[in-house]
Amino acid sequence: AQSVTQLGSHVSVSEGALVLLRCNYSSSVPPYLFWYVQYPNQGLQLLLKYTSAATLVKGINGFEAEFKKSETSFHLTKPSAHMRDAAEYFCAVSTGTASKLTFGTGTRLQVTL
Amino acid sequence: GAGVSQSPSNKVTEKGKDVELRCDPISGHTALYWYRQRLGQGLEFLIYFQGNSAPDKSGLPSDRFSAERTGESVSTLTIQRTQQEDSAVYLCASSLGTGVPNIQYFGAGTRLSVL
Repeated sequence: AQSVTQLGSHVSVSEGALVLLRCNYSSSVPPYLFWYVQYPNQGLQLLLKYTSAATLVKGINGFEAEFKKSETSFHLTKPSAHMRDAAEYFCAVSTGTASKLTFGTGTRLQVTL
Repeated sequence: GAGVSQSPSNKVTEKGKDVELRCDPISGHTALYWYRQRLGQGLEFLIYFQGNSAPDKSGLPSDRFSAERTGESVSTLTIQRTQQEDSAVYLCASSLGTGVPNIQYFGAGTRLSVL
């Protein structure tokens, strides 16, 4: 069984500030981890993925995430927030080549001036 | 097509009616997934098709829900005798079905409102 916990359903940061969105996972086998972003009225877009090749993963739009096995975490960060980063962010885990994704409940990121 | 296409984008129906939602995956993608996103919640897995294998129906919430896929093309998700709790955004995703890990590409979803 696998699960994902995203701490904080809403996060608000000022433009230019650090973005930190938290994700913890539970998996009985080595996981594959993903962050997806959802802009209003759109589908999910993949930001980045962890595949065990490297613990620090860089994605699109300046986001990155670090896999920490000891903490079972995969937090998403961005050094400097932009207004366009305002969206909902979902962390997800899968355990197989083509298996289903198990999602967290999402974190809505608000960016203020 | 260039991406996963879902139709309709919005559907309003009355309680007790049947609805059909359509998903057109990316050409060449053998795997297709349906998820449900209720307001303020994450995505719940519903069903997964991989090539000609038997689908994984483990996420379907009741026997009112069913889905079909013809070969490696279009899929339809059918909800019979809709209830108000079925109101949600239904998202479809497709993937190549091979490779590690398998990246799922999502459509924009169908927003279902049951009155």
